[in-house]
Amino acid sequence: AQKITQTQPGMFVQEKEAVTLDCTYDTSDPSYGLFWYKQPSSGEMIFLIYQGSYDQQNATEGRYSLNFQKARKSANLVISASQLGDSAMYFCAMREDQTGANNLFFGTGTRLTVIP
Amino acid sequence: GAVVSQHPSWVICKSGTSVKIECRSLDFQATTMFWYRQFPKQSLMLMATSNEGSKATYEQGVEKDKFLINHASLTLSTLTVTSAHPEDSSFYICSPRSAREGGTEAFFGQGTRLTVV
Repeated sequence: AQKITQTQPGMFVQEKEAVTLDCTYDTSDPSYGLFWYKQPSSGEMIFLIYQGSYDQQNATEGRYSLNFQKARKSANLVISASQLGDSAMYFCAMREDQTGANNLFFGTGTRLTVIP
Repeated sequence: GAVVSQHPSWVICKSGTSVKIECRSLDFQATTMFWYRQFPKQSLMLMATSNEGSKATYEQGVEKDKFLINHASLTLSTLTVTSAHPEDSSFYICSPRSAREGGTEAFFGQGTRLTVV
């Protein structure tokens, strides 16, 4: 089974609007971390936000917030007030903290296009 | 965040030659190094994991004799693609990890885009 599932290959959003990128995960590890990365065309992986499995509150970092629903195993990224520079690939990833080697498992990504 | 330097950022090589990619963690000691590969329009897939001073552990389907990993120090790891072929053309990216990391971020190098012609 896929550990990370991103069901939206592509998304469009109007500039200044909010957009939600979906991510669901699958793990039996009681301790895990969820990450979102932005990958522009240059290829670098830009860290956006982190949510720990034991965190009670949803993570927020500026215009980014993570809608963490543990029972549903979802960790959707919300980008508010979209900007043209937000156009990129976005990857959701998970690290299992007790099992495995602590590498990240990535989803297939969502290409976000911000329309002027 | 931590500073990770990966070189070269891109390389074009002839089929049959070898290419070495370096990954340096500049401000922390990387006890573990993850090497990922990303084919065009695909996600990042873990290739191998290496711990400083130990042999690397390769994921299923990754040839250890083709992708040589050296992690001889806590600040430097190298990935050598030996006898490269066009199907090895990909984006390779390293991710060092410190044993003392708090866990709220995972760091990556800038990546190396390899094209084998």
